[in-house]
Amino acid sequence: AQRVTQPEKLLSVFKGAPVELKCNYSYSGSPELFWYVQYSRQRLQLLLRHISRESIKGFTADLNKGETSFHLKKPFAQEEDSAMYYCAPENNAGGTSYGKLTFGQGTILTVHP
Amino acid sequence: GAVVSQHPSWVICKSGTSVKIECRSLDFQATTMFWYRQFPKQSLMLMATSNEGSKATYEQGVEKDKFLINHASLTLSTLTVTSAHPEDSSFYICSARPGLAGGRVPDTQYFGPGTRLTVL
Repeated sequence: AQRVTQPEKLLSVFKGAPVELKCNYSYSGSPELFWYVQYSRQRLQLLLRHISRESIKGFTADLNKGETSFHLKKPFAQEEDSAMYYCAPENNAGGTSYGKLTFGQGTILTVHP
Repeated sequence: GAVVSQHPSWVICKSGTSVKIECRSLDFQATTMFWYRQFPKQSLMLMATSNEGSKATYEQGVEKDKFLINHASLTLSTLTVTSAHPEDSSFYICSARPGLAGGRVPDTQYFGPGTRLTVL
């Protein structure tokens, strides 16, 4: 079964500190991996995807296929980064499951001033 | 950016009535739309995948006769909660995924703001 684990439900850091949000997945095939973010009172939005290999708002995520992890990192957290973060592998194997996202439980990041 | 709307944003209904929720992609064509359910302080749970012009594919444990999905056009999908009961109260979220010609980044889901359903 597809499974995504975000072990930290809550994560608090101070402004300027590094932050790492962990994500481990158990998934058949080679899924595409995404991080989605939900700021307070806003809809869910894409933060970054592995295939793009971009840095969005200072965040990066490295795929470790051996550990099946896709941790999200930022070297210097900002207060505006406070939000709920979801790790989500996407099924890209084709068939009726193509494009389906499996969401982790989410991590609430709070960045204190 | 790509915009997905949902209507209504919230609805309160009596037990036994049916409620229809609309999901629209406003500035792109969505070949696929997804419907999720989110309980308080929990993650999103996929309910069904809807492809334009074909029957929706429901996830295990989701009653297709209870949650009717129609995807009649490339910009509109509807979710009808039939004979709603208090246990159906939840936050329902849709997402839309553009095709290659959709004018947006393909293989990316764009989310609606959600609809809060309360069944009395």
